[in-house]
Amino acid sequence: GQQLNQSPQSMFIQEGEDVSMNCTSSSIFNTWLWYKQEPGEGPVLLIALYKAGELTSNGRLTAQFGITRKDSFLNISASIPSDVGIYFCAGPLIQGAQKLVFGQGTRLTINP
Amino acid sequence: SQTIHQWPATLVQPVGSPLSLECTVEGTSNPNLYWYRQAAGRGLQLLFYSVGIGQISSEVPQNLSASRPQDRQFILSSKKLLLSDSGFYLCAWSTGFRNSPLHFGNGTRLTVT
Repeated sequence: GQQLNQSPQSMFIQEGEDVSMNCTSSSIFNTWLWYKQEPGEGPVLLIALYKAGELTSNGRLTAQFGITRKDSFLNISASIPSDVGIYFCAGPLIQGAQKLVFGQGTRLTINP
Repeated sequence: SQTIHQWPATLVQPVGSPLSLECTVEGTSNPNLYWYRQAAGRGLQLLFYSVGIGQISSEVPQNLSASRPQDRQFILSSKKLLLSDSGFYLCAWSTGFRNSPLHFGNGTRLTVT
């Protein structure tokens, strides 16, 4: 079945550094979604990408829909302590009623 | 605007006891509804989804069941909890349009003792 491979699994960075994470699949996706989850809460949608090659920003966050439609990237510039959390990529299964498949997440830890 | 409510936030239940988690959505009609389980702070596993009242699809065989008695109400149940049912349960909704994103509730932390 379709799977999303997300890397890295964990990141430990200093405040102010830029962050880059990615998500790849052996299958083509028509949509890429990026979520952030903070401890004890549900994932919150950060960015949605709907077109191959699309580059979309949300504040300090920038995400890109790979031109092969098999990957996506999320970058965070000038990280701050509130960026801590787990970041998930997700995409809809080609078949079925709007079911999403999620990557395993990238856990971001920031040292002040 | 649309909102999703999930309760309770935390729950501790003994093995063998029943379970009922409730999720409601406001501000939208005929949403798709989903139950996910998350273990150890990562990895969301789809348990059930529903495209309409009384329509439930199960993704994995398990000790749980789901029901949708009303358009915007989704319930996760079990007759007898197992230790392995412990986890973080998330309800989500989407518009049902192609490739529309999911919007999650704040989850229920279930501990089976």
